[in-house]
Parts: sequence; C-alpha cells; structure tokens
Amino acid sequence: KQEVTQIPAALSVPEGENLVLNCSFTDSAIYNLQWFRQDPGKGLTSLLLIQSSQREQTSGRLNASLDKSSGRSTLYIAASQPGDSATYLCAVVNAGGTSYGKLTFGQGTILTVHP
Amino acid sequence: AAGVIQSPRHLIKEKRETATLKCYPIPRHDTVYWYQQGPGQDPQFLISFYEKMQSDKGSIPDRFSAQQFSDYHSELNMSSLELGDSALYFCASSTGTPGYGYTFGSGTRLTVV
Repeated sequence: KQEVTQIPAALSVPEGENLVLNCSFTDSAIYNLQWFRQDPGKGLTSLLLIQSSQREQTSGRLNASLDKSSGRSTLYIAASQPGDSATYLCAVVNAGGTSYGKLTFGQGTILTVHP
Repeated sequence: AAGVIQSPRHLIKEKRETATLKCYPIPRHDTVYWYQQGPGQDPQFLISFYEKMQSDKGSIPDRFSAQQFSDYHSELNMSSLELGDSALYFCASSTGTPGYGYTFGSGTRLTVV
C-alpha cells in the first residue's frame, strides 16, 4: 500500500528565505507526482506536476524535483513571501496494484511566512 | 480556462438527513474522482468513475452512493448523515490517463449538525 510522508509538518520562516519541503513515498510504481497548495478551508490548487520519467519541473519561484528510485521529491520555494503561507500537499498517482490511478496524499506541510 | 465546478459550496444538514453533492468536470475529461478531507486530514479517496462506469472504490461508507451521468457530471449522494461526515468533499477530473494529472474543484464543505 502506497504511503506518502511529508516533512516537516509545519514550517515558519521570515519573508525572503529560500525553503525546501520534503515528500517521500514507499512505492516507486507511480505515474507522476503533484504538488498542491491549499489555503485554509479552500480547494486544492495544482502547483507542479512531475511525470515519473522527469527529474524536475519549474514554475516561477517554485522548483520540484523527483527521485523516483529513492521515493523522494522536494519542493523548493525561492524568496518566500507572506502570500506563500498555506498548506502544501504532495500526492502521487499510483501505477500499480489495487491503488492504480488513484492519488495518495501526504499529510501536508503548513507553511507560514512572516513579513 | 474552464475548471472543475462543484456545487453547492457550503451545505448544512442535520443528522440522519440526506445530501447530494454535484461535480462538473473539465470539458473532455472523462474521469471523475471524489475525495473526502476531514479537519486537519489529508484527502481520502472515496470513489471514481471512468466513462460513466464506476472504476474504483475507496473508503466510501455504504450510506454513500455516486454516479456519473451521460454529460459526465457526477453526483455524490449521502444518506443517514452522521456528525463524522462533516468534511470538505472534493471532486477531481482527468482525461482518464493518470499521467496527465488531476484538476480539483473548490470543494463542498458539508457540516452535519
């Protein structure tokens, strides 16, 4: 059964810092990995999608890497801003077994960026 | 660009009542997924449909049922509501090929009182 773990559970940083969020998964049989942002009580906004054959994706100040063989992904946020404050969720699309095609989420990292 | 539309945005029901949540996927997306997110929890998979047929089932209570209609919209029906059903319910759609990722709707917040 696929399990996704995110570290740290919460992170508080001053504005302007570069930061890294970590995600690990137990089953490397994945189609892709998505990073989502969720504001309190709101929906999920897709930030980056990395296919299993890719190593990284970039969008603006965000960069996500994927090491499928070791079951790890990182989300790098450059020059953090207070508006980046949210919960960041990592999710994998499973490629095999009974979880085929389903998203398995991590518990999320709650990010707070102080002005 | 068109997104995944969910209605209603908020719903308050009493225990033992019935609720119906609706999801309208992105045009040309043929697969719909339903997820439940409890307070402080990560989203949990409930059920999915591909081309109007149920394709997979997760931790969905027997009190819940869902279907996908000919126009690809989906409805999640929840009966005999319990306090523990209070959660955010998300719908996501995709093209049916898992490699293209998911697009989520804004969710329906269900509160059972």
